[in-house]
Amino acid sequence: GEDVEQSLFLSVREGDSSVINCTYTDSSSTYLYWYKQEPGAGLQLLTYIFSNMDMKQDQRLTVLLNKKDKHLSLRIADTQTGDSAIYFCAESIGDTDKLIFGTGTRLQVFP
Amino acid sequence: EAEVAQSPRYKITEKSQAVAFWCDPISGHATLYWYRQILGQGPELLVQFQDESVVDDSQLPKDRFSAERLKGVDSTLKIQPAELGDSAMYLCASSVPGQVGEQYFGPGTRLTVT
Repeated sequence: GEDVEQSLFLSVREGDSSVINCTYTDSSSTYLYWYKQEPGAGLQLLTYIFSNMDMKQDQRLTVLLNKKDKHLSLRIADTQTGDSAIYFCAESIGDTDKLIFGTGTRLQVFP
Repeated sequence: EAEVAQSPRYKITEKSQAVAFWCDPISGHATLYWYRQILGQGPELLVQFQDESVVDDSQLPKDRFSAERLKGVDSTLKIQPAELGDSAMYLCASSVPGQVGEQYFGPGTRLTVT
């Protein structure tokens, strides 16, 4: 079945870059996504990438997709304390609206 | 900015009791989702509506959970009877059909079953 895996925890110093990694299993996924969840809140879509793209950049965020290895990463440049949150990778199932979420990576940014 | 509304934000109930959660999606969003998020895990889809029709409820424990969206706008998720293992965050999301992945989430209802 579908499975999305992420490392559980990442700690970085303010101003450094953060890289959050994700592996997925459904090779037919049309889109892959990164969502952010702050404490006690719902999820917020940060960015997404179409499966035929290798890279997408949006301000401080860079998404890299290695479709051969089914590996997705999110790079946050100049990480700020406000970036501290849980980041979820998600894949769409085929071309449907259904999303499979990873377990989330908790990013902690320290001064 | 339009938001998905959910209530209550927090609910504590005893096992075997009934509990209900309400969601009001963003106006014009025909697709509505209910997710369950267990602490330390990602959200898991329970049920998906397209207008008032259920599109996917394959992961909904139908012996105790029910969901409805009678007029194709707001929705209610019910659990009866609640069990200890139902303690989780229940998230509602909505989207415009065809905009794959661009789901807008509400703040969630945190359920604690004692």
